[in-house]
Amino acid sequence: QKEVEQDPGPLSVPEGAIVSLNCTYSNSAFQYFMWYRQYSRKGPELLMYTYSSGNKEDGRFTAQVDKSSKYISLFIRDSQPSDSATYLCAMSAVILQGAQKLVFGQGTRLTINP
Amino acid sequence: KAGVTQTPRYLIKTRGQQVTLSCSPISGHRSVSWYQQTPGQGLQFLFEYFSETQRNKGNFPGRFSGRQFSNSRSEMNVSTLELGDSALYLCASSLTGDAEAFFGQGTRLTVV
Repeated sequence: QKEVEQDPGPLSVPEGAIVSLNCTYSNSAFQYFMWYRQYSRKGPELLMYTYSSGNKEDGRFTAQVDKSSKYISLFIRDSQPSDSATYLCAMSAVILQGAQKLVFGQGTRLTINP
Repeated sequence: KAGVTQTPRYLIKTRGQQVTLSCSPISGHRSVSWYQQTPGQGLQFLFEYFSETQRNKGNFPGRFSGRQFSNSRSEMNVSTLELGDSALYLCASSLTGDAEAFFGQGTRLTVV
């Protein structure tokens, strides 16, 4: 079983819809939770970075972390065609001397249709 | 502020050869991590360097190695290339190795 599970999709929604992306994990030591967006042939771009449980909002993006359920979500409001990309969740725990290792989900391929 | 720079962007190598990839982190960042991305396995951690020292290593064979220089720039080397090493190799930098990491565009390596 993978430490981080993410539905690879693909997910296709109409422009303006609310998009919900999710990941589950098994390692209770994870404390930091990130969402990355990756366009084709590009490197991952950090979208959201949260520590422990709770919500964080940035513009049209909201990240939620529920450590009790080992479940994280990313919501995209008023989705735009430019949001079409692969979304990767990532998590980490402090290993030693402050070093952290990111563990990624498989990524969800999202398409927003005009 | 310049982002993470990886060179070269594309490489084609033959089985058995070796290859060196380069990464320049964001100015002021002292931690550099390397990841391999493939369609089948996704993003997998290779190793992390901080202040020229490797602090953590993933589950990859010894053919994969790296180093970090005093200016925080890092190189990754893969020896005796195999077809399965074809992948996008990504470098990420952070201030001290924390989770808020920023990725470069990657180097796409094709082994033929």
